[in-house]
Amino acid sequence: KNEVEQSPQNLTAQEGEFITINCSYSVGISALHWLQQHPGGGIVSLFMLSSGKKKHGRLIATINIQEKHSSLHITASHPRDSAVYICAVPPLGGSQGNLIFGKGTKLSVKP
Amino acid sequence: DVKVTQSSRYLVKRTGEKVFLECVQDMDHENMFWYRQDPGLGLRLIYFSYDVKMKEKGDIPEGYSVSREKKERFSLILESASTNQTSMYLCASSFPQPEGPYEQYFGPGTRLTVT
Repeated sequence: KNEVEQSPQNLTAQEGEFITINCSYSVGISALHWLQQHPGGGIVSLFMLSSGKKKHGRLIATINIQEKHSSLHITASHPRDSAVYICAVPPLGGSQGNLIFGKGTKLSVKP
Repeated sequence: DVKVTQSSRYLVKRTGEKVFLECVQDMDHENMFWYRQDPGLGLRLIYFSYDVKMKEKGDIPEGYSVSREKKERFSLILESASTNQTSMYLCASSFPQPEGPYEQYFGPGTRLTVT
């Protein structure tokens, strides 16, 4: 089974700060997902990446396949970025598209 | 835009009741998933389905069953609800991509309380 570890579990930042959330996994994967969950429950997919780096607005996701590690960065953080950020990978030997999820990082950005 | 809807946002049921949670997606996705989310445990897969009438157990299927009679609809059934099934339940769907990656689209969630 693929294990997914995220750090930190909780993160409080001041508006404008640069934020990094980390994700490590135990076995090789085809791709890694970063998801965002706002208070109220809805989850949206932010990134799906298998190598290198992807950028969308103020969000940047990077992955190092050899080190089995990914980071999610938020530049110029804003209170509306407050959410739980979840990393997910396919299970070892998995098929049909199911994922193993990290426990999430709860981010709170203060004005 | 992909839309995944769930029948209720909040639900309160009594111990022993039979509970149905419905999920509908409008993008003709083959794969559908039911998760539960608990504090400190993250999202855990209960069941998934990769075609009509097909289902596979996830990590925590005990106490649950599912039904997929139509492609767009995936139902989660609690045969006899218990207090330890109080949780947030999330449905998701995706296209099958055997070589990955598997982008999943989530519904808004149903917060179920069993008293």
